Amino acid sequence: KAGVTQTPRYLIKTRGQQVTLSCSPISGHRSVSWYQQTPGQGLQFLFEYFSETQRNKGNFPGRFSGRQFSNSRSEMNVSTLELGDSALYLCASSLGSTSNTEAFFGQGTRLTVV
Amino acid sequence: GNSVTQMEGPVTLSEEAFLTINCTYTATGYPSLFWYVQYPGEGLQLLLKATKADDKGSNKGFEATYRKETTSFHLEKGSVQVSDSAVYFCALKVLNTGNQFYFGTGTSLTVIP
Repeated sequence: KAGVTQTPRYLIKTRGQQVTLSCSPISGHRSVSWYQQTPGQGLQFLFEYFSETQRNKGNFPGRFSGRQFSNSRSEMNVSTLELGDSALYLCASSLGSTSNTEAFFGQGTRLTVV
Repeated sequence: GNSVTQMEGPVTLSEEAFLTINCTYTATGYPSLFWYVQYPGEGLQLLLKATKADDKGSNKGFEATYRKETTSFHLEKGSVQVSDSAVYFCALKVLNTGNQFYFGTGTSLTVIP
């Protein structure tokens, strides 16, 4: 069974540009969540999508947005990039939405903003 | 609010030493607790979980018991190996908050031969 696939693995962008990251969850999983990982702030929750609807959102500015398609694949977009957006972005896929359900993480997309 | 406090690292141990990584939590609702591990250049992998009080999660020689009275979920392993070198994250999910995880800051473990 294929795991969670994130593309691309690495990205270098310039300040002010926008970027789109992609995540393909495990087949059959309907929930996709996104996290930002930085050395200073650790792992921070961005948002969760379940059956194409955003169910929950973390404390990030509106420059961070996402969507989920009918096949459960998800994209996240960051507009007007800032240097502080440099991070590892992790996607997590879950089968259900109960609190005891584990998440399966992709390898992440390493975004560097210069 | 919901949060996880995890033992600061880095931790360096000799092979076959005993490992404990402390984790405590605060939760506004009913919690489930997890330990994830991250190897260099990789995403997070589930190590173990416990979803009710006094449950013990275990995997690959690692164990953690969900202690409601002390709001703790400490990770232990009796004999670490070089291959256990990684960063370990304690994580919390709370009932009725969907799939949002609250992560600790991570503890870097290095095991030397």
